[in-house]
Amino acid sequence: QVQLIESGGGVVQPGGSLRLSCVASGFTFRNYGMHWVRQAPGKGLEWVTFVRYDGSDIYYADSVKGRFTISRDNSKNTLYLQMNSLRVDDSAMYYCAKNFNYYNMDVWGEGTTVTVSS
Amino acid sequence: QSALTQPASVSGSPGQSITISCTGTSSDVGAYRSVSWYQQHPGKAPKLMISDVTNRPSGVSNRFSGSKSGNTASLTISGLQAEDEGDYYCASYTSSNTWVFGGGTKLTVL
Repeated sequence: QVQLIESGGGVVQPGGSLRLSCVASGFTFRNYGMHWVRQAPGKGLEWVTFVRYDGSDIYYADSVKGRFTISRDNSKNTLYLQMNSLRVDDSAMYYCAKNFNYYNMDVWGEGTTVTVSS
Repeated sequence: QSALTQPASVSGSPGQSITISCTGTSSDVGAYRSVSWYQQHPGKAPKLMISDVTNRPSGVSNRFSGSKSGNTASLTISGLQAEDEGDYYCASYTSSNTWVFGGGTKLTVL
């Protein structure tokens, strides 16, 4: 079945770094754009970043631009999110999601939790 | 990148219909047929309920429908059922090549 599994979350101090991974299965990963979306505890969804199927286009939310880097390895069916200069307000559940028909997110992982705290 | 505007909460009785609005601008909701709607139950990942303003993915009940007029999109749920209770989010692609979500609406089935 179509599945996305995130990993790499954890507790990190402000200013620190983490790399999240998202392994895809059940569909042809190299054919689809991918998103990262986050949700702070008790808050709403916030779009973070998107990478086109071949990595040719990458977009970021202003809140993470210059600090986060999205990438993908189509040979490993894996999406990544490198997070640097982490801040307390980056604490959230981070979901990867598969892009569908240009604008939509039709498959979501269960998420991985990032906590930024001293 | 201001969030789209949704009501914080809506409620309805089983069998009734409710509508959740999602207001943006001419740079997002009004610019493209790119509004999608997501349902989220507590502790769970979001689930796509409506894509491209009006399209229902396979497996989603036909009690869910979407529409758009100008800069405002709407999600209507007819024949409310207890299982529909949860949080609902709209999202839109923007002219800045980004995506923006609404603040979320908590649906309570009375």
